[in-house]
Amino acid sequence: NAGVTQTPKFRVLKTGQSMTLLCAQDMNHEYMYWYRQDPGMGLRLIHYSVGEGTTAKGEVPDGYNVSRLKKQNFLLGLESAAPSQTSVYFCASSSPGLAPNEQFFGPGTRLTVL
Amino acid sequence: AQSVSQHNHHVILSEAASLELGCNYSYGGTVNLFWYVQYPGQHLQLLLKYFSGDPLVKGIKGFEAEFIKSKFSFNLRKPSVQWSDTAEYFCAVKTGNTGKLIFGQGTTLQVKP
Repeated sequence: NAGVTQTPKFRVLKTGQSMTLLCAQDMNHEYMYWYRQDPGMGLRLIHYSVGEGTTAKGEVPDGYNVSRLKKQNFLLGLESAAPSQTSVYFCASSSPGLAPNEQFFGPGTRLTVL
Repeated sequence: AQSVSQHNHHVILSEAASLELGCNYSYGGTVNLFWYVQYPGQHLQLLLKYFSGDPLVKGIKGFEAEFIKSKFSFNLRKPSVQWSDTAEYFCAVKTGNTGKLIFGQGTTLQVKP
């Protein structure tokens, strides 16, 4: 039982490049989330999904897109990376059937945009 | 808008000192409250959680937190910290039924041996 895994762990991009971050969970959780963590700002929700085929915007969605084609996977895309997107990205998952919706986090992806 | 505020951004303690980290939230409805810890280089792990019942909740590694509804607070405490408690601590609030969490800014705790 691997829990929540993220690929890749580190990435360096040049401004304007694109990339996709992959999140996978093996806990059969309905809900999945993407956060970014920046110093002094805690974690901020980018996008989330309450089920396969559904996505919704979070607090800071601009510049990102997501897809949830399979229940166990949640992809975060950057179409044209900007230096402001340099951050640590965390994926999380939870189940509505487990009170009180504890979220389980992945190990993070450290992204640097030059 | 809902928000979570952690008053202490950086706390430095000696081993065996007592710890209290403040957390206040702004939301008038039913809330679920969490404290997460992030050890250096690691992902977030759940320390403790509150969703109903006894407002004093106990978590892992000797941590506890008290939910005071009238003060919109959920402060984290530990009677005697250890060097291994050095980490960043996040308070979070869940509102609504989509499981979304709102996080505070985080508090970095440094425990000196």
